[in-house]
Amino acid sequence: EAGVAQSPRYKIIEKRQSVAFWCNPISGHATLYWYQQILGQGPKLLIQFQNNGVVDDSQLPKDRFSAERLKGVDSTLKIQPAKLEDSAVYLCASSSPERTTYEQYFGPGTRLTVT
Amino acid sequence: GQSLEQPSEVTAVEGAIVQINCTYQTSGFYGLSWYQQHDGGAPTFLSYNALDGLEETGRFSSFLSRSDSYGYLLLQELQMKDSASYFCAVRGVGSARQLTFGSGTQLTVLP
Repeated sequence: EAGVAQSPRYKIIEKRQSVAFWCNPISGHATLYWYQQILGQGPKLLIQFQNNGVVDDSQLPKDRFSAERLKGVDSTLKIQPAKLEDSAVYLCASSSPERTTYEQYFGPGTRLTVT
Repeated sequence: GQSLEQPSEVTAVEGAIVQINCTYQTSGFYGLSWYQQHDGGAPTFLSYNALDGLEETGRFSSFLSRSDSYGYLLLQELQMKDSASYFCAVRGVGSARQLTFGSGTQLTVLP
């Protein structure tokens, strides 16, 4: 089966600019996650979707970050305006509720550099 | 809140056995997962423990003691390709039972 797809793979922007990331999860996976991974740290959950509804966005900086998952498949994560501290890898993951190991499948990520 | 502690770096030689420990403090706990991440790559799932005891998958094993809030990942017959970061992650807290990751352990395997 095809894995989780993300684009772009790399993005360089200046602070105060806006940026958007796209994710296509594994077919049939109802749950989709966006994580932020700062260099040297573990992934930090930003938002979790179940189908097209938000399950948890408690760690999403809502003053500048937004995310949507239209039709319960693809998702986009937007940052507007970006700050220097937003430089990180943004990972998308998906999972199926049938897996008893609660395994999450990660995409390759988008490496964002804010200058 | 939640916190996880794991060593930042571990070094071992090819063919050896290495154990990566993880201790956690959480307000809710449903299980402990382990993920591997090579430099520039995506995290990949290794194992999940919901109950006390040892789970074995090939060269990798994972252990959990819920009473001690402790787990470890055991890697046997180390290979150069095992050089990567290893993250423990707690599943729990919140209605979404989401994962909270530790800061990771960088494993270097020497020839």
